[in-house]
Amino acid sequence: GAVVSQHPSRVICKSGTSVKIECRSLDFQATTMFWYRQFPKQSLMLMATSNEGSKATYEQGVEKDKFLINHASLTLSTLTVTSAHPEDSSFYICSARGDRVGNSPLHFGNGTRLTVT
Amino acid sequence: AQKITQTQPGMFVQEKEAVTLDCTYDTSDPSYGLFWYKQPSSGEMIFLIYQGSYDQQNATEGRYSLNFQKARKSANLVISASQLGDSAMYFCAMREANSGNTPLVFGKGTRLSVIA
Repeated sequence: GAVVSQHPSRVICKSGTSVKIECRSLDFQATTMFWYRQFPKQSLMLMATSNEGSKATYEQGVEKDKFLINHASLTLSTLTVTSAHPEDSSFYICSARGDRVGNSPLHFGNGTRLTVT
Repeated sequence: AQKITQTQPGMFVQEKEAVTLDCTYDTSDPSYGLFWYKQPSSGEMIFLIYQGSYDQQNATEGRYSLNFQKARKSANLVISASQLGDSAMYFCAMREANSGNTPLVFGKGTRLSVIA
């Protein structure tokens, strides 16, 4: 149980275009999802907390107008990288909790490797 | 200040041997959870083991065990009988206020290489 599906797994786009990444909870409802970013050989850095039916909460230094998050349903959150630039090339990974019990881990999607040329 | 510190960028271990990956944490919250994840080269994050701040016993999960020393604020991962498939990045993570929808904060990770 607690499967998170992320799509696409890999995308290459040209500078200036926008890219949408989808994150779905397949067998549970997720009122909250988290979006992380990982540069090569580095750790996962939290970008934002996505809340169903309300605005996302962004971490300091993350441009909310550049990384648009929409959490329109209990099973889907999307991250749109707008006007992408080469420095946005990174590994983006979403996650959600299967339940709100304290010991429940975050379940992660398989990530999206974005390359901006 | 770093909330999660992993001081070993890389570790080598002989196949079938045990290895300990270090993790220290910093929090003033009495309620927190500690997690270990494995990230193979494919990028997926695989949950390994969990330790709650109020747990009296060290967590174990198959070949994984967590050496939890609360006073020292350390939560080291022990992998017994290492296998070649254990080669991966390992991340220690913490959730403060261990309830509700709080995110995980990750350490910088340790790259484990298992040698045949």
